[in-house]
Amino acid sequence: SAVISQKPSRDICQRGTSLTIQCQVDSQVTMMFWYRQQPGQSLTLIATANQGSEATYESGFVIDKFPISRPNLTFSTLTVSNMSPEDSSIYLCSVFPGTYGYTFGSGTRLTVV
Amino acid sequence: QKEVEQNSGPLSVPEGAIASLNCTYSDRGSQSFFWYRQYSGKSPELIMFIYSNGDKEDGRFTAQLNKASQYVSLLIRDSQPSDSATYLCAVNLGGNNRLAFGKGNQVVVIP
Repeated sequence: SAVISQKPSRDICQRGTSLTIQCQVDSQVTMMFWYRQQPGQSLTLIATANQGSEATYESGFVIDKFPISRPNLTFSTLTVSNMSPEDSSIYLCSVFPGTYGYTFGSGTRLTVV
Repeated sequence: QKEVEQNSGPLSVPEGAIASLNCTYSDRGSQSFFWYRQYSGKSPELIMFIYSNGDKEDGRFTAQLNKASQYVSLLIRDSQPSDSATYLCAVNLGGNNRLAFGKGNQVVVIP
């Protein structure tokens, strides 16, 4: 089973700044995904992080706002750029295959002030 | 139409009773279906997955899938206070391994 280390676990950031979230997996995984969970809401897929190529973004999410890197099969980063209070959310990475399919990291709770 | 819908509001059940959760999905090509449990402030935890029509049982949990009607359900038998959480239905969209989530159902088990 894949074990995911996601950091930071939480951060409070000033508007207009950027934050990079890291996701490290203890084994090689085919696919990595980044989700956002806004307060009281379900999970929304931001993008699929592809190893060796550009990420695939879902409708409503763009690379300039959420640049993603995937340099190898065990690591990915998500950057939240030029932050505003509306970006305050929990950001989660997920991997496939993980344990019985999809496994989630512990999440990054971001507050933008 | 949303890709995955969970329309029931918060569900309160007495301890020892059965909690029943339902989920519908729009993509007929979906092949994999998952139920996640999420405690407040925690990340989602997979509790059941199902790929074939019919029932799948794992301990106190039973997942039911009906592809013709495009719905998947979760039964929690002998509900315990520790089952109090939000339950998220997730569906693998098409063949590209992307998961779409429903909005979730909050379950409260009353001792």
